[in-house]
Formats: sequence, C-alpha cells, structure tokens
Amino acid sequence: NAGVTQTPKFRVLKTGQSMTLLCAQDMNHEYMYWYRQDPGMGLRLIHYSVGEGTTAKGEVPDGYNVSRLKKQNFLLGLESAAPSQTSVYFCAVWTRQPVYEQYFGPGTRLTVT
Amino acid sequence: ELKVEQNPLFLSMQEGKNYTIYCNYSTTSDRLYWYRQDPGKSLESLFVLLSNGAVKQEGRLMASLDTKARLSTLHITAAVHDLSATYFCAVTPQGGSEKLVFGKGTKLTVNP
Repeated sequence: NAGVTQTPKFRVLKTGQSMTLLCAQDMNHEYMYWYRQDPGMGLRLIHYSVGEGTTAKGEVPDGYNVSRLKKQNFLLGLESAAPSQTSVYFCAVWTRQPVYEQYFGPGTRLTVT
Repeated sequence: ELKVEQNPLFLSMQEGKNYTIYCNYSTTSDRLYWYRQDPGKSLESLFVLLSNGAVKQEGRLMASLDTKARLSTLHITAAVHDLSATYFCAVTPQGGSEKLVFGKGTKLTVNP
C-alpha cells in the first residue's frame, strides 16, 4: 500500500459522535475515492474526487461528507455516526503506471455502538 | 446502471483441483479488473483486461474477457492453500472510466 495511507486504522464510536477519516497520498494522483466494505456487499463507492477542490457523490453518500482542500489529502467525515456505518473504509487512487488501475489504502475499521 | 454479478459467492475446493469463477456485467464497459483480498487486508490488483478476447495469466490464475457476452472468468488451476482469499471483479462503466463498480466477491477456501 505504498503511497496511500489511512488514519486511523481502527476506531470505535458511540452513536451520534462525529469523526474524520484521513486518506493521504504522496504520488500526485488526481483521482481519489472512498469506499465502504460490508460483509457480502463487495465495495461500494461513497464519494470521490477528480482533483483538488472537487468532490462528487458515489453510490452510498448519505451520512457522509468529504473534502479535498489539498491534492494530497481526501477527508471523509461522519457528522453523526450511526450503527449502520459500522464498516471497513478504504481509500483508493487511480494510478497510471505501470497500468491504469485503482490502488487501495490499508483500510480503516470503524465500529459504531 | 451498471451491475456486476459474481458466482459463486463461496467456493470450497480441494488442493489440486481446477475451478472457475464467473463475473457478469450488465452494460458495455471500458475495462475489467480482478482483485484479491486476504482476510483483514486491503485489495491487491491481479489483472486488468482491456479488450475482447484478452487473456492474462499469473501462476495458477488465468483471467479472460468476452466483451460480447459481458463475461469474465477467473480460472484456477491445481489449487493450493495459498490461493485461499476473496476475489473481486470490478468494471469501469463505458465513458466513466474514473469509477469502478464491484461484484460482491467470491470467497475461496482451498482445503488440503
């Protein structure tokens, strides 16, 4: 997962609390993504960004907000956490070399009680 | 709306046997990807398939793409325990190459 880091690795929240997940990359990628992974559901796109200052909704954006103030960082916010947001969250970037593909960060495991 | 279906979702096989995982997608696509995920880990890219008839091989895994049938297969030859993992296919919508749509994954268990 060189080049893409996620902070924190694990977190437990109580219902109603807020938090921000950080995805950082040092490879100058334009496109960044946030996914959630739930058992039996594959990965589902929450929000994505095609460049600094831009964000767009994915398949499951409700309950989340994002910001891309700096090219290197893509933040995912939960304003009022709910148990349904218990999941593993992955950040990804598009790489062009050696192939055009999405490269994933190590993940953040979030539990909301 | 692009939908991606994998089957089977669970696969238990013996070492030394062959098997195939199938990935169907509902609309025309630009690219198809196969990823591997070990328990508690992130996703690792295995193959990128770009055109009809494309075939890629790495060790005991071989992936192919039939764009006319909207079908990709991941064939496992003479399975070994180390191949136990969850395998995902993912597809980029035509003209929307900045996004991926994932299948639900196939959890493969290779037993001695």
